[in-house]
Amino acid sequence: KQEVTQIPAALSVPEGENLVLNCSFTDSAIYNLQWFRQDPGKGLTSLLLIQSSQREQTSGRLNASLDKSSGRSTLYIAASQPGDSATYLCAVFYQGGSEKLVFGKGTKLTVNP
Amino acid sequence: DGGITQSPKYLFRKEGQNVTLSCEQNLNHDAMYWYRQDPGQGLRLIYYSQIVNDFQKGDIAEGYSVSREKKESFPLTVTSAQKNPTAFYLCASSGSSGAQETQYFGPGTRLLVL
Repeated sequence: KQEVTQIPAALSVPEGENLVLNCSFTDSAIYNLQWFRQDPGKGLTSLLLIQSSQREQTSGRLNASLDKSSGRSTLYIAASQPGDSATYLCAVFYQGGSEKLVFGKGTKLTVNP
Repeated sequence: DGGITQSPKYLFRKEGQNVTLSCEQNLNHDAMYWYRQDPGQGLRLIYYSQIVNDFQKGDIAEGYSVSREKKESFPLTVTSAQKNPTAFYLCASSGSSGAQETQYFGPGTRLLVL
């Protein structure tokens, strides 16, 4: 079964800390992997998209990596700020028939001032 | 300003009532999607449409219906057959079928049952 798992479900860190969010997926046959941010009661905002052929993508203080062989992706956030507090969702576009993103349940990040 | 709009922000449904959630995009995207989000769960796909006048069922289509008469609009109807409709509903769109494209999301509609 094509699944996406995010651990931990919640994470609390002090401001300024560098942190890593983890995402694992069950099948290496993917088109791409995407990281999204969701604020409470809001829609999703796309952060980074990594194509199957890529190893990483960077945007500002964010860096996402992709290792298909191990079925893992990490989202690295440098110098965290209270404004980074949100739920971060990982989603994988698997190959093989169903044209859809499969989402993890997310990691709720709290950055304390 | 390009984007996706959803209305209403909150919607209340009475027993046995059908309700329709609106989703409009001005991004000129071909593909549109409806997701349901429940607390502590990932997003689950209800329906998607890759082109006007065509749509496919997602993982949890029972009790829902959609139409795609215009490229920019993809309304979702929650029918009385959906016994547990309370959830947060998210609409999304992408430039093509989505295999290589980022999906852009609307602000969501929260549906509550009276």
